[in-house]
Amino acid sequence: AQSVTQLDSQVPVFEEAPVELRCNYSSSVSVYLFWYVQYPNQGLQLLLKYLSGSTLVESINGFEAEFNKSQTSFHLRKPSVHISDTAEYFCAVSEHGGGFKTIFGAGTRLFVKA
Amino acid sequence: GAVVSQHPSRVICKSGTSVKIECRSLDFQATTMFWYRQFPKQSLMLMATSNEGSKATYEQGVEKDKFLINHASLTLSTLTVTSAHPEDSSFYICSAVPRQGAFGETQYFGPGTRLLVL
Repeated sequence: AQSVTQLDSQVPVFEEAPVELRCNYSSSVSVYLFWYVQYPNQGLQLLLKYLSGSTLVESINGFEAEFNKSQTSFHLRKPSVHISDTAEYFCAVSEHGGGFKTIFGAGTRLFVKA
Repeated sequence: GAVVSQHPSRVICKSGTSVKIECRSLDFQATTMFWYRQFPKQSLMLMATSNEGSKATYEQGVEKDKFLINHASLTLSTLTVTSAHPEDSSFYICSAVPRQGAFGETQYFGPGTRLLVL
């Protein structure tokens, strides 16, 4: 069975500092990987995804994540965060052949301080 | 972009009543929709997979008689919480997979429905 581990429940960081949110997964088959962001009392928005090809994927708002198969990781990074990046971030995985069924990590609360 | 709506956004009901939550894909057809439940400060837990024209597939531990799912059309799935109790209070989120989506296509999430059972 697949699982997703987000190693940090909360990450406080000052504005304009770099940040990394860690995600590790386990699966016996090939996977697709996702990062979602959730603002208070809202649904999830897709931030970026890895389906195939280049292991480095980027979002339009400066986030990037790198798929590392040997370490089974998909860490999310941003070189300089803004106050508006404060939100809950979820790493998720779905297995090839799994019919779109997605398992989510526990989430990481990113809190950007002025 | 693909938009998924949920109605209502917030509902308060008395214990013992039933509540229906609608999930609609507004600009695409979805053969598969998912229903999730999220407790405060926790992750999403998949409750069931809803396929148009067939019975929903429930995850282990989810009571199918309590959480009735109907996927009557390619743009609408409903979740009915029957005989709701305070422990059913939660944030319910649906997602939809576009009909023409390639394998591994993105799910599009609704904004969620906050249910409070008194």
